[in-house]
Amino acid sequence: GQQLNQSPQSMFIQEGEDVSMNCTSSSIFNTWLWYKQDPGEGPVLLIALYKAGELTSNGRLTAQFGITRKDSFLNISASIPSDVGIYFCAGRDGGATNKLIFGTGTLLAVQP
Amino acid sequence: DTEVTQTPKHLVMGMTNKKSLKCEQHMGHRAMYWYKQKAKKPPELMFVYSYEKLSINESVPSRFSPECPNSSLLNLHLHALQPEDSALYLCASSRSPNTGELFFGEGSRLTVL
Repeated sequence: GQQLNQSPQSMFIQEGEDVSMNCTSSSIFNTWLWYKQDPGEGPVLLIALYKAGELTSNGRLTAQFGITRKDSFLNISASIPSDVGIYFCAGRDGGATNKLIFGTGTLLAVQP
Repeated sequence: DTEVTQTPKHLVMGMTNKKSLKCEQHMGHRAMYWYKQKAKKPPELMFVYSYEKLSINESVPSRFSPECPNSSLLNLHLHALQPEDSALYLCASSRSPNTGELFFGEGSRLTVL
């Protein structure tokens, strides 16, 4: 099925560093969601975005809905070891079924 | 309370077995979903139920049979599965069909021998 391009594929950082990841699409989206998934668990919703240009924060996490509506960014400030996991973006393209399409994921590893 | 509950958490079955995965939500959500996820890959949509009716089947083989007994429950019946069907099966729900946020359960880890 269709997937969103998400980058980077993986990141290995030191505790305390800031992290940035992004998601791009060839088509316009009307909703962007960011999820975090721990091994063996289901994805947990972090942030939801509904308007172009929208910037939303959830604690140390900040996400933005790109102004072109074809991309979204997630930033994590002052990373901690429990930030480890796979981060997925997901978007709805507003088509006939408006299905949720997932990005390829970013694996984050944080060295204490 | 944004909770979707899935049982069992782990399931091992042979290729001739019949088993079922169960999902429950009490958030009043009117859409429920089954996803399949392989290791380190994104979830792949299998089925969508909207107002207890099957609205999307992503060309899933008939050995997977979904059922929505009521607005709170979603089942996935499994029969004659193949080893390549081993995966994490995720249930999710949303307030309205195919809009807004999906809330996922913890998943059922299926191993087919």
